[in-house]
Amino acid sequence: GQNIDQPTEMTATEGAIVQINCTYQTSGFNGLFWYQQHAGEAPTFLSYNVLDGLEEKGRFSSFLSRSKGYSYLLLKELQMKDSASYLCAVVDSNYQLIWGAGTKLIIKP
Amino acid sequence: IAGITQAPTSQILAAGRRMTLRCTQDMRHNAMYWYRQDLGLGLRLIHYSNTAGTTGKGEVPDGYSVSRANTDDFPLTLASAVPSQTSVYFCASSDNSGSVHTQYFGPGTRLTVL
Repeated sequence: GQNIDQPTEMTATEGAIVQINCTYQTSGFNGLFWYQQHAGEAPTFLSYNVLDGLEEKGRFSSFLSRSKGYSYLLLKELQMKDSASYLCAVVDSNYQLIWGAGTKLIIKP
Repeated sequence: IAGITQAPTSQILAAGRRMTLRCTQDMRHNAMYWYRQDLGLGLRLIHYSNTAGTTGKGEVPDGYSVSRANTDDFPLTLASAVPSQTSVYFCASSDNSGSVHTQYFGPGTRLTVL
């Protein structure tokens, strides 16, 4: 079967760094997305990785290791507005997105 | 209109009633999707359409139907609603002509079936 695993909830302090992990087992792999979803709102696109390595975009970075079935999202200089759920999604062999349940990130002052 | 719109924003529905959730996009994306999102579960694909005139079943299609008469609209119909269909429903679209099929989401419809 297909499976995406993320921690259910994480807590971090404003100004700090946090790493949200995602492991996956899917039928085929055609890329991995990270989305941000604030409570009561729609998911919004953060990043896409298809090759191994680190992609940096401002305060957010995303890493992929295809051989390990592993990705992480790194958030630096945390701000209160970063409190949200972070969704990991893998593009499978049929080019459908398989979604993890999301990680709720709580930022404390 | 900018992006994707959904209607209604929320709805309370009696079990057994028929309901259509509307979704319209103005980005001329070829592909559109319907998901449901339930607490503790990831987004689950209900139905999708890769291009106008075609539709396909996702992970949880039972009790739902869709149509794609044109590029912009992708309505989702619940023929006879049941309480287990209480959920938040998101419509999304993507441009599948390139190599990266980023999906863009509408604001969602919160549906309660009593």
